[in-house]
Amino acid sequence: QVQLQQWGAGRLKPSETLSLTCSVFGESFSGYYWSWIRQPPGKGLEWIAEINHIGNNNYNPSLKTRASMSVDTSKNQFSLKLSSMTAADTAVYYCGRGGTWPTKIDYWGQGILVTVSS
Amino acid sequence: QSALTQPASVSGSPGQSIIISCTGTSRDVGGYDYVSWYQQHPGKVPKLMIYEVNNRPSGVSNRFSGSKSGNTASLTISGLQAEDEADYYCSSFTSVSTVVFGGGTRLTVL
Repeated sequence: QVQLQQWGAGRLKPSETLSLTCSVFGESFSGYYWSWIRQPPGKGLEWIAEINHIGNNNYNPSLKTRASMSVDTSKNQFSLKLSSMTAADTAVYYCGRGGTWPTKIDYWGQGILVTVSS
Repeated sequence: QSALTQPASVSGSPGQSIIISCTGTSRDVGGYDYVSWYQQHPGKVPKLMIYEVNNRPSGVSNRFSGSKSGNTASLTISGLQAEDEADYYCSSFTSVSTVVFGGGTRLTVL
């Protein structure tokens, strides 16, 4: 059974950089894209970016200048950094398996609430 | 990229059928058979219900079905049950190799 476990800082100050990591258990890392998705409180889902096992990335154009993903295949982990955080970036952040390939997100991490406040 | 357009809310009585629409453009919904639907109960993680327009993952009830015509995809839920009350999101692959979600639809079972 595939499991995704994510962690990272839950509270940031404006202008700081968000750093989140997602570990993948029970599945080979290769052959898939791995995504980050976020959901502001009371709002809808927003796809942020994805990466595959050889480090190919795709980014949401609206976040591309601030987002950066990396992968560590030896640990079956992938990470997200989002710079220059503001209150508008306050959201639950999820990691997931899939994105543009496969074109479905069929396994999700537990989500982590990230709050940006001074 | 602009979010796909979904109705903010739909409702139906137990046993009835409802349809949730998801409208995009030829650069996303209309251009590819890569539309997915997710169900999210309050405070819970989204759950994949439909992928590639009309495919159900193992374990998802056959009361859920998907379709597409032109730039609009649809999720149909038949035989509504109280447990179906949730938020539903569509998503699509796009022509610039990204993923775009719809704004979400709140389903109320009356």
